[in-house]
Amino acid sequence: GNSVTQMEGPVTLSEEAFLTINCTYTATGYPSLFWYVQYPGEGLQLLLKATKADDKGSNKGFEATYRKETTSFHLEKGSVQVSDSAVYFCALSTSKTSYDKVIFGPGTSLSVIP
Amino acid sequence: DARVTQTPRHKVTEMGQEVTMRCQPILGHNTVFWYRQTMMQGLELLAYFRNRAPLDDSGMPKDRFSAEMPDATLATLKIQPSEPRDSAVYFCASGLWTRAGRGETQYFGPGTRLLVL
Repeated sequence: GNSVTQMEGPVTLSEEAFLTINCTYTATGYPSLFWYVQYPGEGLQLLLKATKADDKGSNKGFEATYRKETTSFHLEKGSVQVSDSAVYFCALSTSKTSYDKVIFGPGTSLSVIP
Repeated sequence: DARVTQTPRHKVTEMGQEVTMRCQPILGHNTVFWYRQTMMQGLELLAYFRNRAPLDDSGMPKDRFSAEMPDATLATLKIQPSEPRDSAVYFCASGLWTRAGRGETQYFGPGTRLLVL
């Protein structure tokens, strides 16, 4: 079946450190891949996405590249800020017609300390 | 700035009571999702609707949960009777599905934090 695996947290980094959160997936067909972020006390919001192999999604300094050969979609940021402290969810959808069930990973909690 | 709204934001109730949560999707969106989030289980899809018709509610305990869309501007999730294990944050999300589309974004509401004593 379709699934998403993320690195376990929590992850704690100092401000300006480099961030990588690993995400790998298992899916049939041609999935679209997403990173959602959840700030404390809020709902999830889309951070970035990629809909086909080799696409790079980017937003707010975060990047992720859709790697079909390694079935991965790792999230990276070159210099994190305290305001990036949140839970990050990798997700996929597999239907060509979209809005088939979106499969979310378990989330990775990130804390950035000054 | 269009947003998904949910009411109430917080709810404390006693076991056995009925709980109704409401969601107003973004105007023009044709797909609505209900999720439940707990520390143990993470984010679980309970049900989703397209054009007000239920497409999948397999994630929802049928004996006590029900989800409806009385009209395009309102989605409801009811629990009757509620149990302590229903304590969680319930999120509504909406989006615009198109036949030619791919990888559409879901827009989440702020959630209803439910505590069943």
